[in-house]
Amino acid sequence: KNEVEQSPQNLTAQEGEFITINCSYSVGISALHWLQQHPGGGIVSLFMLSSGKKKHGRLIATINIQEKHSSLHITASHPRDSAVYICAAVYSGGGADGLTFGKGTHLIIQP
Amino acid sequence: DVKVTQSSRYLVKRTGEKVFLECVQDMDHENMFWYRQDPGLGLRLIYFSYDVKMKEKGDIPEGYSVSREKKERFSLILESASTNQTSMYLCASSPSGFPSYEQYFGPGTRLTVT
Repeated sequence: KNEVEQSPQNLTAQEGEFITINCSYSVGISALHWLQQHPGGGIVSLFMLSSGKKKHGRLIATINIQEKHSSLHITASHPRDSAVYICAAVYSGGGADGLTFGKGTHLIIQP
Repeated sequence: DVKVTQSSRYLVKRTGEKVFLECVQDMDHENMFWYRQDPGLGLRLIYFSYDVKMKEKGDIPEGYSVSREKKERFSLILESASTNQTSMYLCASSPSGFPSYEQYFGPGTRLTVT
C-alpha cells in the first residue's frame, strides 16, 4: 500500500513557538487531509487541500504536489494545541478506502 | 453540526466474548467507516460501508464483521474477542464523494480484552 511519512514523530516546544509538521507521500495524490486528535481520542478534520495553501486561525497547511510534500504550521503555539496531528493522503483512483494515514505527530506545547 | 456517536467510551470484555460496537451518525451520510488505532501503527481501516447493507473490507478485516441495516447506524462485531483486539476503535462518516470530502469522527471506544 502507498506510504505516508510524517515527521517528526514527537515534538515538544515552548508556548509561542512556530511549529512545523511535515508529511510526505510516495506517489501522486489527489488531495491530502490534516486531522487533529486531542487526548481522549476524538479526531477533528482541520484541512483538506489539493494545492496551494489554506489558513484557519493560527493554523496553516501547505501542499506541493510536485514535491509530494505537505506541511502543517502553527503560529504562536499554545498549550491547547497539544495533540496528535495526522496527515492522510487521498491516492488518485482510490475509492472510499483510498485514504492512507500517516502515523501521527505527537505535539506538546509547554507553558 | 455533524454528530457521530459511539455506544461506549470504554469497554472491558473477556477473551472469547462476542462484542458489539455501535456507531450512529445524524447527517444522512452515505459512507461510514470503522478504524482501529494502535500506538506506532496509526489509524487502520477495518471495514467501510458506502450504502445500507453494503460493506467493503479495509486493510485489517480479519476477526471482525460489520452490519449496516439502517443508513445512520454502522456496527462493528468481534465474533470472538481476543487480546490482540485490545485497541482504540474509531467510527467515522462522510458524504458521498469521499475521499474528496472530510470525514467526521466519533469519540472512540477504548476496548480492553482480558
